[in-house]
Amino acid sequence: AQSVTQPDIHITVSEGASLELRCNYSYGATPYLFWYVQSPGQGLQLLLKYFSGDTLVQGIKGFEAEFKRSQSSFNLRKPSVHWSDAAEYFCAVGTTGFQKLVFGTGTRLLVSP
Amino acid sequence: GAGVSQSPSNKVTEKGKDVELRCDPISGHTALYWYRQSLGQGLEFLIYFQGNSAPDKSGLPSDRFSAERTGGSVSTLTIQRTQQEDSAVYLCASSGTSGRAGYNEQFFGPGTRLTVL
Repeated sequence: AQSVTQPDIHITVSEGASLELRCNYSYGATPYLFWYVQSPGQGLQLLLKYFSGDTLVQGIKGFEAEFKRSQSSFNLRKPSVHWSDAAEYFCAVGTTGFQKLVFGTGTRLLVSP
Repeated sequence: GAGVSQSPSNKVTEKGKDVELRCDPISGHTALYWYRQSLGQGLEFLIYFQGNSAPDKSGLPSDRFSAERTGGSVSTLTIQRTQQEDSAVYLCASSGTSGRAGYNEQFFGPGTRLTVL
């Protein structure tokens, strides 16, 4: 069965510093991979997605992610974090067929001044 | 509206009561999903609709949970005889027809926060 692991429950980053959030997935076929962000009291907003092709994908708000098949990873990065990036970030894998999303447990990002 | 809407935004109920949660998907979206977000379980898939039929109900946790969709649009998630462990945020998402990549982006609503006392 498909699964997603986000090993970091919390991460604190200084404003202006770089960020990398880790995501590992388990899925037998070619995965469809997503990163979502959830701000307090808000729904989920899609940051970026990987379907096929170029393994480095660009998203909104200056985020990017790199798909590494050999490591079963899809880590999210941002070169310079802003205070407004403080939120919870979810990695997800989409299944073929009915296309439901399987989510990781999330990483809460705190941004220090 | 431009996005997925859900109502109510908050619902407080007593143990044993029935509740109905509503989802209005983006107009024209054929697929609709319900997820549950709780402290202990994270984000879990509940049920998927394609049109008015539900080919995947595998995430419904018990027979107290049911959902329907009418007119290929609005969906209602019903929880009967609510229990305290049902307390969670219930998220709805919708998606349109297949894109070139063959996968459909899901757009999420703001959720309904359910508290069972």
